[in-house]
Amino acid sequence: SQQGEEDPQALSIQEGENATMNCSYKTSINNLQWYRQNSGRGLVHLILIRSNEREKHSGRLRVTLDTSKKSSSLLITASRAADTASYFCAPGGTSYGKLTFGQGTILTVHP
Amino acid sequence: SAVISQKPSRDICQRGTSLTIQCQVDSQVTMMFWYRQQPGQSLTLIATANQGSEATYESGFVIDKFPISRPNLTFSTLTVSNMSPEDSSIYLCSVGGGVPRGSYNEQFFGPGTRLTVL
Repeated sequence: SQQGEEDPQALSIQEGENATMNCSYKTSINNLQWYRQNSGRGLVHLILIRSNEREKHSGRLRVTLDTSKKSSSLLITASRAADTASYFCAPGGTSYGKLTFGQGTILTVHP
Repeated sequence: SAVISQKPSRDICQRGTSLTIQCQVDSQVTMMFWYRQQPGQSLTLIATANQGSEATYESGFVIDKFPISRPNLTFSTLTVSNMSPEDSSIYLCSVGGGVPRGSYNEQFFGPGTRLTVL
């Protein structure tokens, strides 16, 4: 498995603003997953995007994938204080394979 | 998808003792993994729990310290043995690959077990 590198390390915004975080990886993938972790708790699965997909939506989340640049982005629109959390990307090789995590992006949304 | 529960959700233990963490999934899964998240750090994979055979450990983790069982496709345990304060972490179970194979590709995580070793 390979590790995704999230950028920025920390992001601070006001409620209602959009938040964009990026993920880069090094080698080709089958899919890429995004997760959210609230302080001290388990990871919540947000979205999986396959290597043949360029964009995927889920509620206020929009994920893009550019395999030529080996990068992905997660956009959270109209952010809320409850979106405050750490966000991780996980590039996937073979299906069901183990995942390697970077340090994540710490998002703080101020009311 | 899969719904995962872990027991206990948290515990405070004395050094030198052992704790067994249980992971239960509401449906059969192909893969089960155990991760550790030390304070302020990201997740690190401990091992892949294999049904009916020995777990596959990552570099730096050994069976004597972290014995793992996986008796069937919905249940696994991780034991943290002879604990020291350095073992204070969140331990997370993860599952991937629904049965039948290919029913979903996502990997899901349990709520975690927060362990403090005094």
